[in-house]
Amino acid sequence: NAGVMQNPRHLVRRRGQEARLRCSPMKGHSHVYWYRQLPEEGLKFMVYLQKENIIDESGMPKERFSAEFPKEGPSILRIQQVVRGDSAAYFCASSHTSRGETQYFGPGTRLLVL
Amino acid sequence: DAKTTQPNSMESNEEEPVHLPCNHSTISGTDYIHWYRQLPSQGPEYVIHGLTSNVNNRMASLAIAEDRKSSTLILHRATLRDAAVYYCILSRMDSNYQLIWGAGTKLIIKP
Repeated sequence: NAGVMQNPRHLVRRRGQEARLRCSPMKGHSHVYWYRQLPEEGLKFMVYLQKENIIDESGMPKERFSAEFPKEGPSILRIQQVVRGDSAAYFCASSHTSRGETQYFGPGTRLLVL
Repeated sequence: DAKTTQPNSMESNEEEPVHLPCNHSTISGTDYIHWYRQLPSQGPEYVIHGLTSNVNNRMASLAIAEDRKSSTLILHRATLRDAAVYYCILSRMDSNYQLIWGAGTKLIIKP
């Protein structure tokens, strides 16, 4: 059973470009979470989605960031007009049926903004 | 936010038990205690979780104090592959079980 998959693993963008990060949850999981991690820090929650619905986006910056989890295909975290401060590791996790369950994490996407 | 306090780092010898402490003095009755670990350059990995009673699984044991204000993750026989950052996290029912991550404890295993 494949785990959570994220791609790309590394992404380099220049300031002002768009970054698209993809996450395929574990098979059978319908809950997806996105986190951001800066070096030497813990993870910061960004958004929690179920299929076609955003359940909790309390950790998302108000501008430039958006997330979706369509009926078909992976979840996408989109960052428009990237700035240097967006450079971080972005992790996706999934769980089976509810938020209180164990979350299984992907390997992350490391975004570098030049 | 449900806050936990952990030492920044700990060292242990290979093949010896490791006790990783966590204080969570503001815990409420419905908060779960979770432990995850993160190996270098990898995503976090679930270790164990509990509510009130001590818990055991193939990876570790979780000892929860009677007043629930602290807990200890026990690795019974540490190996070099256990070197990681260990995060103690509370998930709070009234925050919809959101995981609030601290800085964790960096565990160094000496051969």
